[in-house]
Amino acid sequence: DIVMTQSPDSLAVSLGERATINCKSSQSVLYSSNNKNYFAWYQQKSGQPPKLLIYWASTRESGVPDRFSGSGSGTDFTLTISSLQAEDVAVYYCHQYYTTPHTFGQGTKLEIK
Amino acid sequence: EVQLVESGGDLVQPGGSLRLSCAASGFTFSNSWMHWVRQAPGKGLLWVSRISSDGSSTSYADSVKGRFTISRDNAKNTLYLQMNSLRAEDTAVYYCARDPPGSGSWFDYWGQGTLVTVSS
Repeated sequence: DIVMTQSPDSLAVSLGERATINCKSSQSVLYSSNNKNYFAWYQQKSGQPPKLLIYWASTRESGVPDRFSGSGSGTDFTLTISSLQAEDVAVYYCHQYYTTPHTFGQGTKLEIK
Repeated sequence: EVQLVESGGDLVQPGGSLRLSCAASGFTFSNSWMHWVRQAPGKGLLWVSRISSDGSSTSYADSVKGRFTISRDNAKNTLYLQMNSLRAEDTAVYYCARDPPGSGSWFDYWGQGTLVTVSS
């Protein structure tokens, strides 16, 4: 199974500042035939189901604010929130869909400093 | 509007069985692969199972293989998860999630979840 490891486990950032969350996969999730990274990011607010933010590592889902961006390739990926808003408080998960079983990172809890 | 509504969660004794349902609406259900993902209380997300759009192909996490069965009824726009030989470690909120048609398998819509508690 592909192991997904997020860092840090928790993060406190001031309003308006940048937040960066990293995710490392135990093997590459880049499919060479189409040059796509089979990688997504989700946001989960307390008491709610996860919400898709990013897929193909850097494609923002429709309706997601542009302060959210994804980058990286192969085994190393980053989710950046350019200017933290109060409504961004949540747990963030990375997800590889390169192969089954699908696997998720352990989650990063983002709070306001 | 896409909607996924899970039901069937309950308190069940170890060794017991339960069938979860996920009613889909707002999209062509028969075109979408579907998944179950669970989340133990206070823990992270764990993929459980997936089924192809026509039901001919299924896949399971090792932790549930041989105990859980995923199925679907495209005429009723409903996804199922039959859970047998339940263990305490199966206690979790179970979400159904849609795999967008023609996608690479991310999950664009999730239900609100249904709670399964396995305890004596």
